[in-house]
Amino acid sequence: SAVISQKPSRDICQRGTSLTIQCQVDSQVTMMFWYRQQPGQSLTLIATANQGSEATYESGFVIDKFPISRPNLTFSTLTVSNMSPEDSSIYLCSARQLYNEQFFGPGTRLTVL
Amino acid sequence: QQPVQSPQAVILREGEDAVINCSSSKALYSVHWYRQKHGEAPVFLMILLKGGEQKGHDKISASFNEKKQQSSLYLTASQLSYSGTYFCGTDNSGGSNYKLTFGKGTLLTVNP
Repeated sequence: SAVISQKPSRDICQRGTSLTIQCQVDSQVTMMFWYRQQPGQSLTLIATANQGSEATYESGFVIDKFPISRPNLTFSTLTVSNMSPEDSSIYLCSARQLYNEQFFGPGTRLTVL
Repeated sequence: QQPVQSPQAVILREGEDAVINCSSSKALYSVHWYRQKHGEAPVFLMILLKGGEQKGHDKISASFNEKKQQSSLYLTASQLSYSGTYFCGTDNSGGSNYKLTFGKGTLLTVNP
């Protein structure tokens, strides 16, 4: 199984600023994903982080708002740009090998004031 | 397309059994089950692959009906530690992009 760490674990930010969340996996993985989860809600996929190329975004999420990098097979970053209170949520990094289980990081709890 | 989970919530006494269902309107290639406790990340329980292969928790079982596009998670002799929200994640892509779409979750409460 893969062990995933995220930094920061939580943050409180001001409206209009940006926050970059880091995700580190302890082994090389094929797929990395970023999810958002509102309290008491389901997991919503933001994008698939592609190594060496642009991320693939889901409907309703755009690169200007959520730029993602994945420089190698074990690391990815998600930036939440020009934040508003509506961006307050838990952001989860996830990783998966082909045809195998998908694991989640501990999440980053973001509050935007 | 978000899978539909049922029931939305269930309350059990320790030792009782429960079944959680997950259905999709599109063809299923794999189903993944997770449990999430309050304030924690989802924890992988099981993966069921088209063709019958399963991997996962040795005390939890699940079924995968490809024709009906459904999966069920069976929790037997429930323990207090089973409490949490259970999510199914479905792969409807046929393996082309491997992304999972999650249901809304089933809140399971196990009481002493």
